[in-house]
Formats: sequence, C-alpha cells, structure tokens
Amino acid sequence: QPALTQPPSASGSPGQSVTISCTATTTDIGNFYYVSWYQHHPGKAPKLMIFEVSKRPSGVPDRFSGSKSGYTASLTVSGLQAEDEGDYYCSAWGGNNKVVFGGGTKLTVL
Amino acid sequence: QLLESGGGLVQPGGSLRLSCVASGFTFDNYAMIWVRQAPGKGLEWVSAVSGGNTNKYYRDSVKGRFTVSRDNSKYTLFLQMNSLRAEDTALYYCAKGDYYDRLGTFDFWGQGTMVTVSS
Repeated sequence: QPALTQPPSASGSPGQSVTISCTATTTDIGNFYYVSWYQHHPGKAPKLMIFEVSKRPSGVPDRFSGSKSGYTASLTVSGLQAEDEGDYYCSAWGGNNKVVFGGGTKLTVL
Repeated sequence: QLLESGGGLVQPGGSLRLSCVASGFTFDNYAMIWVRQAPGKGLEWVSAVSGGNTNKYYRDSVKGRFTVSRDNSKYTLFLQMNSLRAEDTALYYCAKGDYYDRLGTFDFWGQGTMVTVSS
C-alpha cells in the first residue's frame, strides 16, 4: 500500500470541476507541508502543477488549485479542458530522508 | 533542460550507470532526484542527492545496490545501479529540486531513460 493513497480514477465533463484526494497513510511525512502535485503523460516528463500544498508554479493555469485538511491533500481542477487529461500524482516529503508518491489518479475528461 | 542516458537491457545481477546532464540553471544550487516508473505502475522515488553531493538518500529496496552522485563541474547527475533485479525494470527520470537540500518539490524533469533487467 503506497504511503499516499489516491483514487485510481477521476472524471468530469468539459467545464466541470474535479477534485483528486491524497491521503497520507504513514507518519513519515511530518506536518504534511511539502505536498506537490504532478501531471504525467506516460513516457513524457512529469510536470509540476502544485507545490507546498497550494502554491502554483508560473505557467500553470489558475484552474489548478491545491489544499489540505489534516493529512489529506486535494488537487482541484476547475473548468476542465480536454488537455487536462492525464495521470496525476501527489508526493510528500517529511523533512527526512525519503520522498513518497501516491499511486496516481487517471483523470479523464468525458 | 535535463537529459538522461545510460539505460538499456541488462541481465539480472548486472550493472548500469545512468547519467543526467543538466543545463539552464546553476546545477550545484539544487538537490536532484531519481524517480522511476515500472511498466503499468506509478511513479516511485529511487534516490536523491543534495546540491553539494554531501547528503544522499535512497529508498529501502535499492540501499546497498544503487549509488547516487553528481559532478557539479560537469552539470551531471549519476545513478550507479549494481546487482540489478527484474523489479528494477522501469523508465528512470531525473528531476531538479527547488533548493539545495530540500526534497519537497521537483520543478523540472527529464524525459527518462529505460532500464530493462531480463535474461
């Protein structure tokens, strides 16, 4: 069982919002501050979408937002677009000697 | 830019050395990480190294078999992989951290190099 649990799939129609959760199942992630989200198309370079729970890198549309409640982080994609399809992974670092990734969520735009 | 190389087909018990050449940023200012994706599986952290090559980190399953290092003068990250197993078969990515010795955020990734361990 991954240290971070994500739903295997999520979907929504264009224009809708979808939220993907990421729940820590380990105590190795400290206060769960260093949570990142990555968009990945297999065989391509993963892309950072959200870092430190809710910060958005330059160039990432503001349709992407992050939040957390306790030890569950969430990625919300608002105004879904076809280009948002892909796999999304959360990761966390507890300030220690390991990085953990979630199992990934396949986002489908219907 | 990050460009990985060194992957290939190797027999169980064999060795490979992966390289990741960086450009476009001051290499020794940032931690670097190796992440892999086995066929049909998710991303999995493998190893990381601080900007100065002093602090090194490994997942349990590769400790004692893999060694991460970097040559900051050549802007290159390495992963020496020994005693390879079938379960090490994966696409290996290198990625850049956002600080010298912090592993919370990886803001730029390479395209990956494929490692296949099979007889």
